[in-house]
Amino acid sequence: GAVVSQHPSWVICKSGTSVKIECRSLDFQATTMFWYRQFPKQSLMLMATSNEGSKATYEQGVEKDKFLINHASLTLSTLTVTSAHPEDSSFYICSATKGFTYEQYFGPGTRLTVT
Amino acid sequence: AQTVTQSQPEMSVQEAETVTLSCTYDTSENNYYLFWYKQPPSRQMILVIRQEAYKQQNATENRFSVNFQKAAKSFSLKISDSQLGDTAMYFCAFRTNAGKSTFGDGTTLTVKP
Repeated sequence: GAVVSQHPSWVICKSGTSVKIECRSLDFQATTMFWYRQFPKQSLMLMATSNEGSKATYEQGVEKDKFLINHASLTLSTLTVTSAHPEDSSFYICSATKGFTYEQYFGPGTRLTVT
Repeated sequence: AQTVTQSQPEMSVQEAETVTLSCTYDTSENNYYLFWYKQPPSRQMILVIRQEAYKQQNATENRFSVNFQKAAKSFSLKISDSQLGDTAMYFCAFRTNAGKSTFGDGTTLTVKP
């Protein structure tokens, strides 16, 4: 199989604080990981693409200083939302690919609520 | 840039009947992949079916099949013998070898008992 986990599944934080979301590939080495944001009943919006050991590539309009992505190993990528505000409240989903195959494996998502 | 269009925001179907979800895309690439994903209320993205653009034969996975028309850039999903568990949001997605996926806006499908 190809299982991707995310932690936490749900986090509530206060405005101005930072929160870290982990994305792990449990049974394979992920060459590339993607981070998406999804609002209710809307599509997935790609935020950034990360490859192990290199800087993430951010999509246009995504603030890289606000959404820090670290892909430190072939099985772990983290997304840190810095100085979170209520408008950052959303559902964040990561996905991973193994080798150079075309299939993406999705994590279960993390619901972030900023109060 | 690639675009994916799903023109049906919401659809419903009676249990055991057949429903077709539409998807069109635009690209200048020749080699690419197309996917249908299901997102149930749990919000876990689940791969339903995939199609390689170089394959002329339409992909089939049990009750799910696609009608892939490369020249028309159309990729519809047919669900046969609909089940209550098929109720979900369905996303059509396009991906090139470069790796980034483009998703449509989704179709919310409700299967009625």
